[in-house]
Amino acid sequence: NAGVMQNPRHLVRRRGQEARLRCSPMKGHSHVYWYRQLPEEGLKFMVYLQKENIIDESGMPKERFSAEFPKEGPSILRIQQVVRGDSAAYFCASSPFSQGISAKNIQYFGAGTRLSVL
Amino acid sequence: QQQVKQSPQSLIVQKGGISIINCAYENTAFDYFPWYQQFPGKGPALLIAIRPDVSEKKEGRFTISFNKSAKQFSLHIMDSQPGDSATYFCAASSNGGNTPLVFGKGTRLSVIA
Repeated sequence: NAGVMQNPRHLVRRRGQEARLRCSPMKGHSHVYWYRQLPEEGLKFMVYLQKENIIDESGMPKERFSAEFPKEGPSILRIQQVVRGDSAAYFCASSPFSQGISAKNIQYFGAGTRLSVL
Repeated sequence: QQQVKQSPQSLIVQKGGISIINCAYENTAFDYFPWYQQFPGKGPALLIAIRPDVSEKKEGRFTISFNKSAKQFSLHIMDSQPGDSATYFCAASSNGGNTPLVFGKGTRLSVIA
């Protein structure tokens, strides 16, 4: 059972270009989270998606950032007109969804995409 | 507003010693508290997690201690090994873990021989 797959692992963009980050969740997982990690910082939540539905995007900047998780295919985090401040590691995590005190709602992380904006 | 505060920022421990990392949270709605381990260039990997219905959970050399009234939890690594050298993050979420994780800023652990 393959883990969470992210690609590309490294992405270099010039200011003003678009960045597309992809995330394929673990098999059987219906929920995807995107986090951003700046150097020497913890991970900061960006967006939480279910298939064809954004559940929570409270951590995502209102402009230039968007995310989707279509019925078929990977989840995509899209950053338009990148700026130097977007340089960071972007991590995707997936989890199943269950409820109750014994629920196994573990978030499994991919290896990340490291975005560098020149 | 930082909802999960983690300390220390860095930690150096002798091989065979005990590593202790502490976290404190503010949101009383949090009910799931995982610890993640991250090696350079890799994604975070779940190490151990606890829910507030127990005060301690042990898995091998790793133990979480949880104090609900103080809103604090800590990770203890017994018999620390050089291979444990990594960055450790505490986190918290609510609704049984079905919400986004709020992470601490991380502790860089170095275990020296």
